[in-house]
Amino acid sequence: QQQVKQSPQSLIVQKGGISIINCAYENTAFDYFPWYQQFPGKGPALLIAIRPDVSEKKEGRFTISFNKSAKQFSLHIMDSQPGDSATYFCAATFQGAQKLVFGQGTRLTINP
Amino acid sequence: GAVVSQHPSRVICKSGTSVKIECRSLDFQATTMFWYRQFPKKSLMLMATSNEGSKATYEQGVEKDKFLINHASLTLSTLTVTSAHPEDSSFYICSASPGQVFGTIYFGEGSWLTVV
Repeated sequence: QQQVKQSPQSLIVQKGGISIINCAYENTAFDYFPWYQQFPGKGPALLIAIRPDVSEKKEGRFTISFNKSAKQFSLHIMDSQPGDSATYFCAATFQGAQKLVFGQGTRLTINP
Repeated sequence: GAVVSQHPSRVICKSGTSVKIECRSLDFQATTMFWYRQFPKKSLMLMATSNEGSKATYEQGVEKDKFLINHASLTLSTLTVTSAHPEDSSFYICSASPGQVFGTIYFGEGSWLTVV
């Protein structure tokens, strides 16, 4: 019930295309859903986060879509660029807990 | 710039020795910090919650006596890997937050530990 399931494991997208990564959770007590970007040998960096009281949040080329009834959320990267090539992790946590449960990660490759 | 700093970024130690990794919050005080472990091409696995002024809380399956955590101040937590073995080789990452509800959780740059 603590798990967050992420798919796909790896994704290859052409430059300018849309990258879509999906996550699903079981625990309805989760109330904060961040996405992190991680480059090799570096710590994760927060990209964008959403709370379940909204269905979508957009920041620049990054959009989170949230479906509370389905307990699913996804990251959309518009106009994907080679610099977006990295590993992306979805995560979930409880209010104020700061203790993140991570998805398995998606290795994204943007071909020039 | 980084708001959570880890040191060292890379360390090599011999089997049987101990190594200490520091995690500092630079711009804020953190009563709670977290330590994660990450194997190559894998996700982050929470090891323990570091609590300022009290004992750390360890996740199931994490050896308390092997991974000693000390949170001596509101800006510093340390992870000491004791009697290190090659299987302890991994990427160790800490996280911290200023503590606001739904506030950003910042991660350090990580520390690569290689035990030879």
